[in-house]
Amino acid sequence: NAGVTQTPKFRILKIGQSMTLQCAQDMNHNYMYWYRQDPGMGLKLIYYSVGAGITDKGEVPNGYNVSRSTTEDFPLRLELAAPSQTSVYFCASREGAKGYTFGSGTRLTVV
Amino acid sequence: AQRVTQPEKLLSVFKGAPVELKCNYSYSGSPELFWYVQYSRQRLQLLLRHISRESIKGFTADLNKGETSFHLKKPFAQEEDSAMYYCALSGQGGSGGSNYKLTFGKGTLLTVNP
Repeated sequence: NAGVTQTPKFRILKIGQSMTLQCAQDMNHNYMYWYRQDPGMGLKLIYYSVGAGITDKGEVPNGYNVSRSTTEDFPLRLELAAPSQTSVYFCASREGAKGYTFGSGTRLTVV
Repeated sequence: AQRVTQPEKLLSVFKGAPVELKCNYSYSGSPELFWYVQYSRQRLQLLLRHISRESIKGFTADLNKGETSFHLKKPFAQEEDSAMYYCALSGQGGSGGSNYKLTFGKGTLLTVNP
């Protein structure tokens, strides 16, 4: 039981490049979330999903896209990377009233 | 709208001293409150949930609905407690996943000096 797995752990992108941050969970959780963590700002919700095929915007969705074709996977897509997207990205999952499980994070730098 | 306020960005105490990390919240329904801890460059780990009312690593937190607070306390701080602490709020169910969204405070960096 691996929990929530995020890849890659680190990535450097040039402005305008695209990439997909991967997130997978093996706990059969319906709810999955993407957060970004910036110094002094806490964590802000980018997108979330309540089940396969259903996604919705969070607090800071601009510049990102998500898909949820399976219960296990919830990738986050950056289409045209900008310096403002330099951050640490955390994926999380939750099942009902149980607590959240977080991934180990992806540290992204856009130069 | 749900909001979590952690008024202290930084908190520095000496080993063995009591520590209290403040958290206030705003939410119209019945919230679920959490404390998460993040050690240097690691993932967030759940420290406490108000529902479970347990003590983890000597930390406790009581939900005070009158004061809308969920302060984290420990009577005797240890050096290994040095970390970033986040208070977070979630709704307790309802339709869809929106009520399960975690709203985080901005965090308090606790430093325990020897």
